[in-house]
This record gives sequence, C-alpha cells and structure tokens, in this order.
Amino acid sequence: DAGVIQSPRHEVTEMGQEVTLRCKPISGHDYLFWYRQTMMRGLELLIYFNNNVPIDDSGMPEDRFSAKMPNASFSTLKIQPSEPRDSAVYFCASRGSYTDTQYFGPGTRLTVL
Amino acid sequence: KQEVTQIPAALSVPEGENLVLNCSFTDSAIYNLQWFRQDPGKGLTSLLLIQSSQREQTSGRLNASLDKSSGRSTLYIAASQPGDSATYLCAVRPTSGTYKYIFGTGTRLKVLA
Repeated sequence: DAGVIQSPRHEVTEMGQEVTLRCKPISGHDYLFWYRQTMMRGLELLIYFNNNVPIDDSGMPEDRFSAKMPNASFSTLKIQPSEPRDSAVYFCASRGSYTDTQYFGPGTRLTVL
Repeated sequence: KQEVTQIPAALSVPEGENLVLNCSFTDSAIYNLQWFRQDPGKGLTSLLLIQSSQREQTSGRLNASLDKSSGRSTLYIAASQPGDSATYLCAVRPTSGTYKYIFGTGTRLKVLA
C-alpha cells in the first residue's frame, strides 16, 4: 500500500490566491482527517469525514476554509482567499473502522506571501 | 477544555541511555491516549495506543503507561539509539463529543552517537 498520499508537497502562493490541497486516503479506510501544524499552535484537527460525510468541522478556522470528500478515495482542502497566517504544514490522515490508529500523509507545506 | 502538555520540550541524551518522556492532560475523561513519532519533514507515525481501561502498552523497546486519575502518561524508551531521534507527541481522545484527538506540542529528542 502506498499509504496516505498528499499533493502538492510544497505550495508557495501570494496572499489572496486560492489554494487547494489534495489527499488520497489508504484504500478501505472510511475516516479521513485534515490537520494543521504550526509552531505556535501545534497540531490541530480542522475537520474529519466518515464515509465521505463531514462529521466535525469545528476546527475549521473560518469561512475561508472549506473541505470536500466527493468519494472514498479523494478529499480536498481549499483556502480562498489565502492569508499569510495560513502558512503551516497541512496533514491528511486516514483510519479504518475498527481501530483508532491513524495513518498520516507526508504533509503539504504551505507558504502564503 | 482539555489541554495536553509535554515536558521537556527538548531532550538530548547519549546513545544507550534509558529515557522517559512525559505527557500530562487536564481532563481525565479520556477514551484513549496515543503516542506518535514525527520525523523532520514527515507525517506522524502511531507508536502506542492505550485504552482508558489499560495501564500500559509495550512495543519493542517502547513502553507507555497511563495514570488516568492523575492525568499523566509516560513513554519509556530503553537503550536509546540515534535512530530514535525525532519529535514525540502524545494525544488524548476525550470521551465526550466526536472523534477528535487533542495533541501535545511534543518533545524533540536527540540521541547522540
């Protein structure tokens, strides 16, 4: 298994631009999580899906952030418009139904200038 | 509000030493606790998961203990090796609400050869 796949690995953009981060979970996993990691705030859960349905989006910082999971093998996290304070590493993770063990992707390092 | 603290923030030890990493949490109402390892530029890898009813879990040279009533967990690493150098994070899953782990800020470990 290739594990959780995220793209792009690095993204540099200018303030005000739209950013889309992508994630492919491990096949057969029915939970998908989006996290953000910064030096100041550590690792924070933004949103998670179960069977493609958003369950808890209380960690999404504001309306500029949105996430979708159109099918079991693909999810996106979109920021529009982006701001410098959105600069962080964004992780996607997935897990199966019968375990709490999450498998993390390598992350996307986002820099907003 | 659940808060997770890890002390020390950084630790440097010579190879071969046994060491203990500490994690404390403010609310004892947890479902389980996990310890993760994060290598630079990579995602997290789950090391050990302790259910709230358990006192400890072991995997190879790693042993994690949980004292829920006092809000503490420790990760014991025996005979440390340079390959153990990484950041170690603990995370708790509260019993209330949705599936959502609260992460500590981590302990950055360096094992010197």
